[in-house]
Amino acid sequence: DTAVSQTPKYLVTQMGNDKSIKCEQNLGHDTMYWYKQDSKKFLKIMFSYNNKELIINETVPNRFSPKSPDKAHLNLHINSLELGDSAVYFCASTLAGSYEQYFGPGTRLTVT
Amino acid sequence: AQSVTQLGSHVSVSEGALVLLRCNYSSSVPPYLFWYVQYPNQGLQLLLKYTTGATLVKGINGFEAEFKKSETSFHLTKPSAHMSDAAEYFCAVSGAANTGNQFYFGTGTSLTVIP
Repeated sequence: DTAVSQTPKYLVTQMGNDKSIKCEQNLGHDTMYWYKQDSKKFLKIMFSYNNKELIINETVPNRFSPKSPDKAHLNLHINSLELGDSAVYFCASTLAGSYEQYFGPGTRLTVT
Repeated sequence: AQSVTQLGSHVSVSEGALVLLRCNYSSSVPPYLFWYVQYPNQGLQLLLKYTTGATLVKGINGFEAEFKKSETSFHLTKPSAHMSDAAEYFCAVSGAANTGNQFYFGTGTSLTVIP
């Protein structure tokens, strides 16, 4: 069983479009994250949700909007895509107090 | 505030040689330290972690790391490199729950194993 899953795995789209990435975890965790990994492999946290409540919101353009319908899901919607949004986006989850994060396989977003 | 520095963005070793990947951290609270590995086109997989207790921690695939508070280091080692160890390695630090269990990752070290 996949612990943290993301869909889609690959996403190719044009500038100006709006797209969503979905994440689901079946680990019973209560905290979920979105990370962006750029072409140089640098990992930067974007958002964190705990029990559907936003607790970390790093400086990212407001074109990015996370949504957590329940503890097991955290989606990322991106409006008006730009070339610089091309990256691999990782979802992760953890149980508060465990300090260990489990990562999804990533979504490679390419904006043309 | 917390941060991680990984010395050496690229490390090459011969198959069978010692692997040493360096990680130094700064943290204003007792740190929790992690090493993750990322194989090409895959997500991050936990290799090992230090939270409390024994400072020498053993992980998967023969890797281990030692927490040295006096040196603020958490270097990753493996006695004998295998070709399958070629990957990107990330060191990370996490602090207290009031940071939302936020991880701070290093910039990564790409390990190449030469046959």
